[in-house]
Amino acid sequence: EAGVVQSPRYKIIEKKQPVAFWCNPISGHNTLYWYLQNLGQGPELLIRYENEEAVDDSQLPKDRFSAERLKGVDSTLKIQPAELGDSAVYLCASSPPSGPSSYNEQFFGPGTRLTVL
Amino acid sequence: RKEVEQDPGPFNVPEGATVAFNCTYSNSASQSFFWYRQDCRKEPKLLMSVYSSGNEDGRFTAQLNRASQYISLLIRDSKLSDSATYLCVVNSGTYKYIFGTGTRLKVLA
Repeated sequence: EAGVVQSPRYKIIEKKQPVAFWCNPISGHNTLYWYLQNLGQGPELLIRYENEEAVDDSQLPKDRFSAERLKGVDSTLKIQPAELGDSAVYLCASSPPSGPSSYNEQFFGPGTRLTVL
Repeated sequence: RKEVEQDPGPFNVPEGATVAFNCTYSNSASQSFFWYRQDCRKEPKLLMSVYSSGNEDGRFTAQLNRASQYISLLIRDSKLSDSATYLCVVNSGTYKYIFGTGTRLKVLA
């Protein structure tokens, strides 16, 4: 079974340019997460989707970041315009439908490494 | 205070050594707990979930102490291949997963 797919793997852009990242979760996983990971830090949640609904976007900087998951499957995260401080790894993760337990594994994609010059 | 705190390390240990990491969390209502492993320039992968009764998987043992609000990971008989960053993850409610900064482990030959 294919894992979480992300593209591109690497992206170098100049500041003030737009950039978009794409994620295709594991088939059947209704929960999708976008995380940002800076060097030496743990992943920080940007947005979580349950199917096509963004159920937690409290940490998404909405002035420049946007995300969509129109059909409840793949998702796109966009930054416009990018700033120097946006240089980081952007990770996508997905989880299967949750049961009564809160122990639900997240499966991560390989991430997109963004460098803003 | 951060919601989830870990000693960033690095912990440098010889092969065969036993090493333990702790992770503290601030939200007493946290519901579930995990250890993820992250290799350099790779994505995090689940190492083990941490249940109230504790759990063991081969050389790895995880414990949860709700009274003191910490979880631990014990690695026995360390291997070179155990070198990685170990991320503590706490579900603070409503599937809001908070990651610690990670603890770097280097196992030396």
